[in-house]
Amino acid sequence: QKEVEQNSGPLSVPEGAIASLNCTYSDRGSQSFFWYRQYSGKSPELIMSIYSNGDKEDGRFTAQLNKASQYVSLLIRDSQPSDSATYLCAVVISGGSYIPTFGRGTSLIVHP
Amino acid sequence: DADVTQTPRNRITKTGKRIMLECSQTKGHDRMYWYRQDPGLGLRLIYYSFDVKDINKGEISDGYSVSRQAQAKFSLSLESAIPNQTALYFCATGGATEAFFGQGTRLTVV
Repeated sequence: QKEVEQNSGPLSVPEGAIASLNCTYSDRGSQSFFWYRQYSGKSPELIMSIYSNGDKEDGRFTAQLNKASQYVSLLIRDSQPSDSATYLCAVVISGGSYIPTFGRGTSLIVHP
Repeated sequence: DADVTQTPRNRITKTGKRIMLECSQTKGHDRMYWYRQDPGLGLRLIYYSFDVKDINKGEISDGYSVSRQAQAKFSLSLESAIPNQTALYFCATGGATEAFFGQGTRLTVV
């Protein structure tokens, strides 16, 4: 079982809606959590990081972390067609080599 | 200019050939990584390096080797390329935990 799990999707939402992307992880020692956006054929781009329980907001993006339930989510408000991409969740485990481990990504499609 | 630069961007090579993918970074980070991305499999770590003298295997290192020529340079070699090494390869650099990626190299082995 992969350490970081994401639903591959695609998740399809209408323009203007809230897109909710979820990620679960298996190692309770995980300490740092990241969301990357990857457009088709392009490289992953870091868009959010979160380190403590709760919500972290940056513009239209909100990352949510719940360590007790071992999940991290990304909400995208007022979704735009330009948000259509694959979103990768990454987790770094404390006490190890501190290498990011990535989920397989969720494909998001925002339709007009 | 990109902070993490990979060359070449695209390469087609024949089975059995040796090929080197190069990566350089201007972010000043000590950590550098090589990942491979295949459809449906996500990003998988091939090798990583914490400094010039520290190189470590990732989860899929078989068939690959690396060289850390300087803090800013980290090369990936396929000693004898095979078709199932056809993939998108990313170099990344990082601080304590986050990673910043190069543009990628699309490698096709025929």
